[in-house]
Amino acid sequence: GENVEQHPSTLSVQEGDSAVIKCTYSDSASNYFPWYKQELGKGPQLIIDIRSNVGEKKDQRIAVTLNKTAKHFSLHITETQPEDSAVYFCAASSSRFGNEKLTFGTGTRLTIIP
Amino acid sequence: DGGITQSPKYLFRKEGQNVTLSCEQNLNHDAMYWYRQDPGQGLRLIYYSQIVNDFQKGDIAEGYSVSREKKESFPLTVTSAQKNPTAFYLCASSAPGQGSGANVLTFGAGSRLTVL
Repeated sequence: GENVEQHPSTLSVQEGDSAVIKCTYSDSASNYFPWYKQELGKGPQLIIDIRSNVGEKKDQRIAVTLNKTAKHFSLHITETQPEDSAVYFCAASSSRFGNEKLTFGTGTRLTIIP
Repeated sequence: DGGITQSPKYLFRKEGQNVTLSCEQNLNHDAMYWYRQDPGQGLRLIYYSQIVNDFQKGDIAEGYSVSREKKESFPLTVTSAQKNPTAFYLCASSAPGQGSGANVLTFGAGSRLTVL
């Protein structure tokens, strides 16, 4: 089955700087890669996703890049703000399956230092 | 507001007792899921249901049971057979995607179970 590795497990950045979180996956058939943000005391919330027919997707300060050859994808947050502090999870799945086969990474705790 | 409501938020249980976690959604979603979250681990799927009166085991179903008698409700019972039940439990739902494959999950705020 799919295996998703996520790094780093913790990340601290100065407010205004950029943050990058990386994930690798094992199943070359995977073609859907969402990122979820979990704030303290809340459930995860989708912030951005990418499908394998594109290499990069942006939404304001957030971007995700995908390298299918190397089987890795990354989350980029620019101009970080205190409200970006949270735990971020990457995930991977194949269009052959539904959400029941979505495999999550182990999470990155991002702390923005004011 | 549409969303998913999980209750209770915190629950303490003695060893050997069964406990049921509630999950209710008013999003009119067909599919519902239960995940377990442990420190340093990703979300692991316990059970899922794609339609009323039908549910399937996920990756770590042993020691858990579910029911799906109504579209809006998907309760999870943590039985005494679950060897390590202390964890954070998340319920989620999703609407049918436009095509095949995974799509957006909407999560509840979670229930933290502690076994004493």
